[in-house]
This record gives sequence, C-alpha cells and structure tokens, in this order.
Amino acid sequence: DQQVKQNSPSLSVQEGRISILNCDYTNSMFDYFLWYKKYPAEGPTFLISISSIKDKNEDGRFTVFLNKSAKHLSLHIVPSQPGDSAVYFCASRSSGTYKYIFGTGTRLKVLA
Amino acid sequence: ETGVTQTPRHLVMGMTNKKSLKCEQHLGHNAMYWYKQSAKKPLELMFVYNFKEQTENNSVPSRFSPECPNSSHLFLHLHTLQPEDSALYLCASSQETDTQYFGPGTRLTVL
Repeated sequence: DQQVKQNSPSLSVQEGRISILNCDYTNSMFDYFLWYKKYPAEGPTFLISISSIKDKNEDGRFTVFLNKSAKHLSLHIVPSQPGDSAVYFCASRSSGTYKYIFGTGTRLKVLA
Repeated sequence: ETGVTQTPRHLVMGMTNKKSLKCEQHLGHNAMYWYKQSAKKPLELMFVYNFKEQTENNSVPSRFSPECPNSSHLFLHLHTLQPEDSALYLCASSQETDTQYFGPGTRLTVL
C-alpha cells in the first residue's frame, strides 16, 4: 500500500513558465513533508519542507502548498529554468518517527 | 555538497563476494540511514541508527548487515547477494527526525 503517491511520472514545461508537481498521501498522521530534487548519478538534494501547521512555504522560486483536507501537496517552481530538469520526490512522515515514506518521483523536463 | 559522503561510488560484485559500503556525515547529525533505490520504485528505507543504536530494520534480508561505530560513520556489509539486489544504495543523515540529507549513493551491480 503506497502511502505517498506521485501520479505523474513525467512533466514537460517551457522555460519561464510555472512547473507544478503534485503529491498525494493517505496517512492522516503525516505532519511533515519534504521535496527533493535528484539528478542522474547523484543523491537526492533537499529543496523545501512544510509542516502540517502551515499551508504554504516559500523559498525563492520554490513554493510548497499543503491541503490537509485533501491530503495533497504541490510544489510550484516559477519561473522554471532548464537547470530544474530533474526527478522530484515528495516524502512524508508522522510526528516523532524517523521513517519517511517517499513517492516514486516525477521527472521534470524544462524546455529551452 | 560534501555533507554526506559515500564510498565506493560504483561497485560490481559476484554473488559469493563480501564487500562493504561506507558512509560518513560531516553535519553533526545524530541519525543515519540506509536506503535502497531500485528502478521505477520509491526509495526503500532499510535501516535507521540514532546515536549508534539501530532503531529501524525494515525487514531487510540478513545478507545486508549494517554497522554504526559512531554518529558520523555508517557501513553496510554485503555478502552472498542476489542479482535483484542490484540498485542504488543511498546513505542519509538527520538531526533527530528533521530533514534528511543524502549522500551521492553507491551504484551496486551483482553479477
């Protein structure tokens, strides 16, 4: 049973436009959420996080939105740049646990 | 990013070999993790260590044996692996249950 789902395996966006990556979760006990970016042959790089007491967190071009009632979070990248082309993973955990559950990832391609 | 390092980056081994993967973190964290990433599957947590004590073993076969001598170093000892164990093995660290920071991974191929 996959508790964290990224239903879009891939996404293509024109440079300068907005990229929106989505993630759904099933466990209502999850209270901390992360987004990672991964380039080929490298480990995941932390991008941005959000806790369940917030519904939005911004860091430069990256914004994460959390909709607890829908158990849905999204990552917005604006404006998108060719260097953003990578696989993006969302991850979630319950309070006090070390165990993060990861999604399968969405491959973003930003076209120049 | 040199916060978490892993060696070797690539490893090819036969099913009867014994090898070890090494991870070192320079972030002052107290928790370390081993993950396995297979093609088209989510990252799978294998082991968690907090202050050198194993707190999580995610039903991993005994042919994988972790060792955590201190908060900065983590090993994964491998023996009699199967071809289906071929994957990217990732190490991560965190301060308590906060954000995890990953190393570059070891690409393992079992022949």
